[in-house]
Amino acid sequence: DAGVIQSPRHEVTEMGQEVTLRCKPISGHDYLFWYRQTMMRGLELLIYFNNNVPIDDSGMPEDRFSAKMPNASFSNLKIQPSEPRDSAVYFCASDSGGAGELFFGEGSRLTVL
Amino acid sequence: TQLLEQSPQFLSIQEGENLTVYCNSSSVFSSLQWYRQEPGEGPVLLVTVVTGGEVKKLKRLTFQFGDARKDSSLHITAAQPGDTGLYLCAGAQPGAGSYQLTFGKGTKLSVIP
Repeated sequence: DAGVIQSPRHEVTEMGQEVTLRCKPISGHDYLFWYRQTMMRGLELLIYFNNNVPIDDSGMPEDRFSAKMPNASFSNLKIQPSEPRDSAVYFCASDSGGAGELFFGEGSRLTVL
Repeated sequence: TQLLEQSPQFLSIQEGENLTVYCNSSSVFSSLQWYRQEPGEGPVLLVTVVTGGEVKKLKRLTFQFGDARKDSSLHITAAQPGDTGLYLCAGAQPGAGSYQLTFGKGTKLSVIP
């Protein structure tokens, strides 16, 4: 079975540009999570969805960040405008409700110059 | 926000040695998970412990949840180069389910052949 699929794997952009990160969760999983990982702060939960509905977005750093899940097989995370401090690895993870076992994608490494 | 402190931050050992890494908090967690993350990949769940004092074994890895459910340890016997990676602990806040995981910053383990 395919795991969580993220794209792009690497993104280098200039400050002020819009960034879109994409995620395809494992089929049948009804929870989807977006995390950000940095050396300084470790893994931080940004937002999670249940059945395509955002449940908790309290981890989204500011209004420049937004996430949507238009259907059960796709989610995106947008940063507009991007800033150098947004440089990090962004992970998407999915879970089958109640199991409490997160399956992570391979991550999208974002570098904002 | 409940914090998880992991120690040591870095550990470099020779193949065949034993080691223990720790995950500590001043707060109580309803459950605690351990993940291993290899470079360029997402974290992979190793184990979930839910009962105070619980001990789980996974081949050469032994996981223990503290009696008060505030801390945990991971012991590796006869470490092998394949054990190299970042070991992350993650705690679920009581009453919040596993969807409000707090991650530690991890212990980076290097096993030298």
